[in-house]
Amino acid sequence: EAQVTQNPRYLITVTGKKLTVTCSQNMNHEYMSWYRQDPGLGLRQIYYSMNVEVTDKGDVPEGYKVSRKEKRNFPLILESPSPNQTSLYFCASSLGGRSPLHFGNGTRLTVT
Amino acid sequence: SQQGEEDPQALSIQEGENATMNCSYKTSINNLQWYRQNSGRGLVHLILIRSNEREKHSGRLRVTLDTSKKSSSLLITASRAADTASYFCATDSGAGSYQLTFGKGTKLSVIP
Repeated sequence: EAQVTQNPRYLITVTGKKLTVTCSQNMNHEYMSWYRQDPGLGLRQIYYSMNVEVTDKGDVPEGYKVSRKEKRNFPLILESPSPNQTSLYFCASSLGGRSPLHFGNGTRLTVT
Repeated sequence: SQQGEEDPQALSIQEGENATMNCSYKTSINNLQWYRQNSGRGLVHLILIRSNEREKHSGRLRVTLDTSKKSSSLLITASRAADTASYFCATDSGAGSYQLTFGKGTKLSVIP
């Protein structure tokens, strides 16, 4: 089944403890992206990647890192999480060329 | 940066009625897409309309685009309780890189 898989689904952590949210797609998509969704603010793009080893900042990149060493994986790294990063995070992928996005089911992160 | 803005923020209708949601945006676009989100789950792509198209249909969905007014509308005909969800428009306005910018969404409730 074609899908974008994020893990974990839920994560509760403490301020400053490094964490990684994984994202994997099995559709051979070139484009991948991370979004965060907050009440009243909608979805905002954190980082995106046009292809392997090519990443770029979205609208809200501060406090996040990404890497794209393989086509299928695009992990989101929070080196020192803070409470304002408590949010619902979505990974998405597409064929590229302005094709529709396929979304994962989300990761709900709480930083205390 | 927020590009699309949906209107209304919330809409409640009876099953069988039509639901219309609007999206306005600020800058010129390559295409505009509509997505649906069920209660905290990942977004699902519904329909894509290119800047040189004026209307597009998919099943019970009808999307229009007016580039002179920088607006789009999504019409769901003969709504069902299962259509209850949040609906987002997303605009692709990047000249080079592919950056899809989402609005804040319209929350649709269809009452059986």
